[in-house]
Amino acid sequence: AQKVTQAQTEISVVEKEDVTLDCVYETRDTTYYLFWYKQPPSGELVFLIRRNSFDEQNEISGRYSWNFQKSTSSFNFTITASQVVDSAVYFCALMTGANSKLTFGKGITLSVRP
Amino acid sequence: GAGVSQTPSNKVTEKGKYVELRCDPISGHTALYWYRQSLGQGPEFLIYFQGTGAADDSGLPNDRFFAVRPEGSVSTLKIQRTERGDSAVYLCASSFSTGADTQYFGPGTRLTVL
Repeated sequence: AQKVTQAQTEISVVEKEDVTLDCVYETRDTTYYLFWYKQPPSGELVFLIRRNSFDEQNEISGRYSWNFQKSTSSFNFTITASQVVDSAVYFCALMTGANSKLTFGKGITLSVRP
Repeated sequence: GAGVSQTPSNKVTEKGKYVELRCDPISGHTALYWYRQSLGQGPEFLIYFQGTGAADDSGLPNDRFFAVRPEGSVSTLKIQRTERGDSAVYLCASSFSTGADTQYFGPGTRLTVL
């Protein structure tokens, strides 16, 4: 069975601070995919990134960066110089090679104050 | 292009009634997924279709829930004899194919059972 744990439930930062959202996953499959989605107050889940289990390279996209470490089963997400528009719930999700369904964590509510 | 659309955006019904929720996927996407999101939780998988057939319906909670996709495009999630515990946001997603393809989500239907 697969599981995603997002231990942080709520994070509050002041604008321009850096913030890291943690994600720990569990699976016995050797082929799997990890995702981050953003859910702003409007409610629609917005895709941010997908990584596969064979590619541990970290990725940077603008102010966003992701750190994938198989040794600790973690896929953490860092927002640099946070902005008010980053306020949302962020979900980490896992898909194994055996099927196509996503298993989500409980989400982290990020509040960025001006 | 147009994203995933879902109708209605909100549905209020009485306990025991029948409801239908509709999802229109991104054009050209062959895979379609239904998830349910309760307050403060991550989305939970219900069912997915590859083409017209349900490839995995293991997430449907009981036989009151049923989904169809008769022409391989639009899908309808049907809930019979609704219960108060069915209240949640029902999310639909689509992807180009199954496997590791990224799932893109619609805005959801908020179902309230009184």
